Amino acid sequence: EVQLLESGGGLVQPGGSLRLSCVASGFTFSNYAMSWVRQAPGKGLEWVSTVGGRDNNTYFADSVKGRFTISRDNSKNTLYLQMNSLRAEDTAIYYCAKMSPRGDTDYWGQGTLVTVSS
Amino acid sequence: EIVMTQSPATLSVFPGERATLSCRASQSVNSNLAWHQQKPGQAPRLLIYGASTRATGIPARFSGSGSGTEFTLTISSLQSEDFAVYYCQQYNNWPRTFGQGTKVEIK
Repeated sequence: EVQLLESGGGLVQPGGSLRLSCVASGFTFSNYAMSWVRQAPGKGLEWVSTVGGRDNNTYFADSVKGRFTISRDNSKNTLYLQMNSLRAEDTAIYYCAKMSPRGDTDYWGQGTLVTVSS
Repeated sequence: EIVMTQSPATLSVFPGERATLSCRASQSVNSNLAWHQQKPGQAPRLLIYGASTRATGIPARFSGSGSGTEFTLTISSLQSEDFAVYYCQQYNNWPRTFGQGTKVEIK
């Protein structure tokens, strides 16, 4: 059974930093691309970033480019999102998501809440 | 960036009735279109990929159709557990983009 468990969310001041983690199990982590998708309170889904499985290519939404970094540690089955220069508009639930070989998102974690406020 | 537009924003349906949800892409995404369901307080769940293929464990009352720029999700006979928000997502181009969602509510 695929499981994705996010952690690292919390309250941070504008301009601050936070690192999210997602521990994966139930599949061969290194074989699959992984993504972060966020959802602001009461709003829809917004794709944030994707990292390839073995090629480690990275992709970012314009809204976070230059501020966020995505990485993975295949030896620990863990995905990361380093978030710097945080803004109020980054406040959201951040979901970790597994990508299928086709490119769609086939499994979602339960999410971790990030609140950016003074 | 490909803009995904869903309609209607809210759909009010009686249990047992058919629901038809639409998703339009601002340019062709071929068949690289997925539908996700999200219930209140829960993470999304993949329903359909490749525009028309049901994901593992998804009931046959859910069906998807379309290609290019016009897509439809049909729920043939709504059950109580189907009242939720539905999002389409294209995975043909970067950045990946979602529609704004259609809320299916009980009439």
